Amino acid sequence: NAGVTQTPKFQVLKTGQSMTLQCAQDMNHEYMSWYRQDPGMGLRLIHYSVGAGITDQGEVPNGYNVSRSTTEDFPLRLLSAAPSQTSVYFCASSYSISGVDTQYFGPGTRLTVL
Amino acid sequence: DAKTTQPNSMESNEEEPVHLPCNHSTISGTDYIHWYRQLPSQGPEYVIHGLTSNVNNRMASLAIAEDRKSSTLILHRATLRDAAVYYCILGYSGAGSYQLTFGKGTKLSVIP
Repeated sequence: NAGVTQTPKFQVLKTGQSMTLQCAQDMNHEYMSWYRQDPGMGLRLIHYSVGAGITDQGEVPNGYNVSRSTTEDFPLRLLSAAPSQTSVYFCASSYSISGVDTQYFGPGTRLTVL
Repeated sequence: DAKTTQPNSMESNEEEPVHLPCNHSTISGTDYIHWYRQLPSQGPEYVIHGLTSNVNNRMASLAIAEDRKSSTLILHRATLRDAAVYYCILGYSGAGSYQLTFGKGTKLSVIP
């Protein structure tokens, strides 16, 4: 199992550009989510999905879109990048939405918006 | 949302036990207590979780107070590889969204 994979590892954007951060998992997990982590801070939830075709907003959804067409993939789209979106982005997955389940995190994407 | 409180930082000598405390006074009866850690430049990784009873695994032990308002993660022999930020998190067991609310965690430094 590769677990949770994210691409790219690093990305530099100019203000106003758009891009998609890729996330994939090969564990057949129903639940997937995106977090951002700013320097010295904990993780904040952006969007999550409880299954293919079902997504919902987390704590900080503005400026981001998601879709879940397959169980394996959960891409995060930045519509018009802003310097405030400079952060490290982590994708995570778990078997279900039960509070007992372990979440598995990807290695992260470091995004800089100039 | 139930929240947790942890010290910002702690230090430990290598090969000594480490006790990382966490307060969660507003925990509900069905919330699981999870611990994750984040090594430098990596994503968080699962350490241990529990509901009411103390738990042990190959990485650590989790001691949960009888009233569940606090817990302690125990690393039995700290190594340099254990230097990380440790997060104490409550996992909601009800239906609906499943959100792990990460605070700033405790930064553990291990002194050789």
